[in-house]
Amino acid sequence: AQKVTQTQTSISVMEKTTVTMDCVYETQDSSYFLFWYKQTASGEIVFLIRQDSYKKENATVGHYSLNFQKPKSSIGLIITATQIEDSAVYFCAMRNYNQGKLIFGQGTKLSIKP
Amino acid sequence: DAGVTQTPRHEVAEKGQTIILKCEPVSGHNDLFWYRQTKIQGLELLSYFRSKSLMEDGGAFKDRFKAEMLNSSFSTLKIQPTEPKDSAVYLCASSRTEISNERLFFGHGTKLSVL
Repeated sequence: AQKVTQTQTSISVMEKTTVTMDCVYETQDSSYFLFWYKQTASGEIVFLIRQDSYKKENATVGHYSLNFQKPKSSIGLIITATQIEDSAVYFCAMRNYNQGKLIFGQGTKLSIKP
Repeated sequence: DAGVTQTPRHEVAEKGQTIILKCEPVSGHNDLFWYRQTKIQGLELLSYFRSKSLMEDGGAFKDRFKAEMLNSSFSTLKIQPTEPKDSAVYLCASSRTEISNERLFFGHGTKLSVL
């Protein structure tokens, strides 16, 4: 069975600092895809970044990067040089290679203080 | 390209009513998902279609929830009869099938309040 767990309910950091959000997952499949999505205050959910399980390099997009630790079934999201507009709820999600469904974690609420 | 369109944006129902939520996926997308979002349970998968075939029906949601994909560009989620605990945001999402690592595109959701 698939499961995604985000243990941090909320995080608050100062603007322009770096923040890491944790996520662990469970799957029986050897090939899978890990995603991070952001939900803004308006409710809109947007895709941020993806890690393919067979890739050793950590994915990076803009000021988002991932810390993929496959032996620990862990995929952390790192946001550098945080901005006020990064305040949102961040969801970790997983999709197995041969299954289409996307399973989400509970989400982490990030607040950026000026 | 148009994104995922959900209607209505808000729905208020009396307990016991039947309500139908609508979704139009991104053109050309063959995977369609319905999720329910609440503060306590988070994002729960209700139904998942691939090329109009139901792949996942959400287990616990079977009895009063029914999603259908009438054609490749339109899906409905029927809740019958509604209960106050169904109050939540219902999200529709779509993605391309050909690429299994493809991201999902989400609609803005329908906020359902059951009195």
